[in-house]
Amino acid sequence: GEDVEQSLFLSVREGDSSVINCTYTDSSSTYLYWYKQEPGAGLQLLTYIFSNMDMKQDQRLTVLLNKKDKHLSLRIADTQTGDSAIYFCAESWDFGNEKLTFGTGTRLTIIP
Amino acid sequence: EAGVAQSPRYKIIEKRQSVAFWCNPISGHATLYWYQQILGQGPKLLIQFQNNGVVDDSQLPKDRFSAERLKGVDSTLKIQPAKLEDSAVYLCASSLDSRGELFFGEGSRLTVL
Repeated sequence: GEDVEQSLFLSVREGDSSVINCTYTDSSSTYLYWYKQEPGAGLQLLTYIFSNMDMKQDQRLTVLLNKKDKHLSLRIADTQTGDSAIYFCAESWDFGNEKLTFGTGTRLTIIP
Repeated sequence: EAGVAQSPRYKIIEKRQSVAFWCNPISGHATLYWYQQILGQGPKLLIQFQNNGVVDDSQLPKDRFSAERLKGVDSTLKIQPAKLEDSAVYLCASSLDSRGELFFGEGSRLTVL
């Protein structure tokens, strides 16, 4: 079955870049997502990438996809205290739907 | 625009008791989802509704969990009887259709003692 793995914790100094990694096993995944969950809040879609893309950039966020290695990463440039949250990667066969499978989440802590 | 509303935010019950969670999706969103998020894990889909019909409930433990969306708007998720392993955050999400961005509520945190 599908499995999505992430490291649990990441600490980064304010102003540095954060890189959050994710590996997935389902080669038929069509869409890959990054969601952000702030304390006490629901998940919020940050960005997504279609499987035929290698990279997607959106302001401070850069998503890299290595489909051969089934590896997805999220880079946050100039990390700020407001970026403190849990980041989930997720995969599906169809945009936003079709049994969206989430990873375990990476808790990003910003060091002042 | 109002977001997805859920209640209660917190609930503590003893095992074998029952509990119900309520969700009001974003107005006009046809698709509604219930996810279970156990501490330290990612959310897991329990059930998906399209209007008032069930699209997918393959991961819903039907011996104790039930959900309904009678008029295609609000939804309730019930657990009866609760077990210790049901302690989790229950997230409701909605989307405009079955192929769009999911919008999540803040969740209902259940603790079973």
